[in-house]
Amino acid sequence: ETGVTQTPRHLVMGMTNKKSLKCEQHLGHNAMYWYKQSAKKPLELMFVYNFKEQTENNSVPSRFSPECPNSSHLFLHLHTLQPEDSALYLCASSIGRGTDYEQYFGPGTRLTVT
Amino acid sequence: AQTVTQSQPEMSVQEAETVTLSCTYDTSESDYYLFWYKQPPSRQMILVIRQEAYKQQNATENRFSVNFQKAAKSFSLKISDSQLGDAAMYFCAYRSALDSNYQLIWGAGTKLIIKP
Repeated sequence: ETGVTQTPRHLVMGMTNKKSLKCEQHLGHNAMYWYKQSAKKPLELMFVYNFKEQTENNSVPSRFSPECPNSSHLFLHLHTLQPEDSALYLCASSIGRGTDYEQYFGPGTRLTVT
Repeated sequence: AQTVTQSQPEMSVQEAETVTLSCTYDTSESDYYLFWYKQPPSRQMILVIRQEAYKQQNATENRFSVNFQKAAKSFSLKISDSQLGDAAMYFCAYRSALDSNYQLIWGAGTKLIIKP
């Protein structure tokens, strides 16, 4: 186990729903990431938080809203999603400073938008 | 901008044999890090091996080794004595030493099939 958990593991939602994805890391890291993984495409970095501050937003539509209340928890709030948003959403964490550059991943949330 | 290319969408190998997965990247930087990650069917991505660009020696982790050719911008992964548990998606990734966000640039992945 990598020490990064994600809930729920599977989520089906309609385009008018509002839902949230949760990520928690138990590694004492200070940086957390949201990725979108679609089939046969490179992982797409969505958001980066470093010491609870959002340091990167890779042109993600506003229907995705991240929240990082502390360095152990990361949320992704979803509303009025589109079918093309269906994907595996991965959370990762890293120590965030120094020379430790490995990212540790959670198991992902499989999201289906109907 | 940096890019990472994995030209083999799928590879298959007989159990106990050796397989090499290809990765090339494009960068104008001289200091960076390269990674191979493995994503088994259970979906949890784990780090297999990493290489610092300033190190000439190829990284090795048990049955996994890399062939790092800096001038050619090539970073292939060799898996020796393939096992059924090696079946997974393998992703090559690049990180600039200058990036304070520790962002990874990813390839599209190679699906590795192990034939019993």
